[in-house]
Amino acid sequence: AQSVTQLGSHVSVSEGALVLLRCNYSSSVPPYLFWYVQYPNQGLQLLLKYTSAATLVKGINGFEAEFKKSETSFHLTKPSAHMSDAAEYFCAVSDKGTGGSYIPTFGRGTSLIVHP
Amino acid sequence: GAGVSQTPSNKVTEKGKYVELRCDPISGHTALYWYRQSLGQGPEFLIYFQGTGAADDSGLPNDRFFAVRPEGSVSTLKIQRTERGDSAVYLCASSQTGENTEAFFGQGTRLTVV
Repeated sequence: AQSVTQLGSHVSVSEGALVLLRCNYSSSVPPYLFWYVQYPNQGLQLLLKYTSAATLVKGINGFEAEFKKSETSFHLTKPSAHMSDAAEYFCAVSDKGTGGSYIPTFGRGTSLIVHP
Repeated sequence: GAGVSQTPSNKVTEKGKYVELRCDPISGHTALYWYRQSLGQGPEFLIYFQGTGAADDSGLPNDRFFAVRPEGSVSTLKIQRTERGDSAVYLCASSQTGENTEAFFGQGTRLTVV
């Protein structure tokens, strides 16, 4: 069974600084990987997903993530943080479960705080 | 509709009561998921439907929880004899069938058991 570990429940950065949100996965087979964002009082929205076509995946709002099989990681980055990036970010992994279905499993989430 | 719709957005109920939470997925999406999200936690899987059938209900915490999707579209999550520990945001998502398809989430139903 797959699992996801997000290091750091909170990450605080200054506006304009680099954003790095960490995600490590545990899966017996190459998984499908996703990053979702949740703004206050809103549903989860897909930022990006790993499709195996390229290890560096570009998403919306200037975010990108790099798949590193040797490190079982899929960290999310953004070169320059904006105040509007303040939100909860969730990493998710999906592979074939015991029932034969692909069901996303989510990490605990990382709250991104952006200071002016 | 344009997105996944969940009703009600908020539900307050007394301990021991029965509640139903409704999810209206994106038209044409055959896959439907229910998750539960407690404060400070990520979404926790409850049940997955492929069409009308529950393909995986391994996440349901106990037999007080049940979900149906009789016509392969709208789904209802039913909770009997609610307990204070059931208080959480219940999320519904839908997707097209496939291995690497994106799940689209509704805004959730915040259930509070008092």
